[in-house]
Amino acid sequence: GAGVSQTPSNKVTEKGKYVELRCDPISGHTALYWYRQSLGQGPEFLIYFQGTGAADDSGLPNDRFFAVRPEGSVSTLKIQRTERGDSAVYLCASSPGPLSSYNEQFFGPGTRLTVL
Amino acid sequence: KQEVTQIPAALSVPEGENLVLNCSFTDSAIYNLQWFRQDPGKGLTSLLLIQSSQREQTSGRLNASLDKSSGRSTLYIAASQPGDSATYLCATRSGGSYIPTFGRGTSLIVHP
Repeated sequence: GAGVSQTPSNKVTEKGKYVELRCDPISGHTALYWYRQSLGQGPEFLIYFQGTGAADDSGLPNDRFFAVRPEGSVSTLKIQRTERGDSAVYLCASSPGPLSSYNEQFFGPGTRLTVL
Repeated sequence: KQEVTQIPAALSVPEGENLVLNCSFTDSAIYNLQWFRQDPGKGLTSLLLIQSSQREQTSGRLNASLDKSSGRSTLYIAASQPGDSATYLCATRSGGSYIPTFGRGTSLIVHP
């Protein structure tokens, strides 16, 4: 596609449930980022993939959060035993390669997760 | 650890004014700095990317400057319009890290 897409656009779940959020990056982009954005805040880094591997997962808040990118394209962010504090907008971004002076990020529209 | 601050947090102006949004960062050893626009409930749209070797970039009514030595960038919006109403965020990545750090953004309202 022409841009980064994310599905679903909205997800409402109950506390304790499992959710999966999907990101389709721009075709050919090797770098993929997941961020979480709370109201009134800037995006908070979660995890960065270069190709299929997680190059940096230092932003994942705890072991309930996990992300995969098995074929180096689509990525799925998985959250187990959701808590109300997980409610936020989850943003995905892709880049042609590792961020450098020249490479910039392109963002998807986000998935708004609400945990009741 | 890089810290990015954006001032003001919110701004409301009448249509037609020229605006300056500020972004400051603590680690001056950056690779680049990127300005984004975010509409309510939407993702981020890239506006301008300034490489570390550049001092400014321009796109239409937007001009972004970069002063690495003082740790500052400004986004200048000329002749503001109601359609410019959005949150503007800056992000930068400092040396040795692939992870951008974002500011909290400036929420701009341009009223007719």
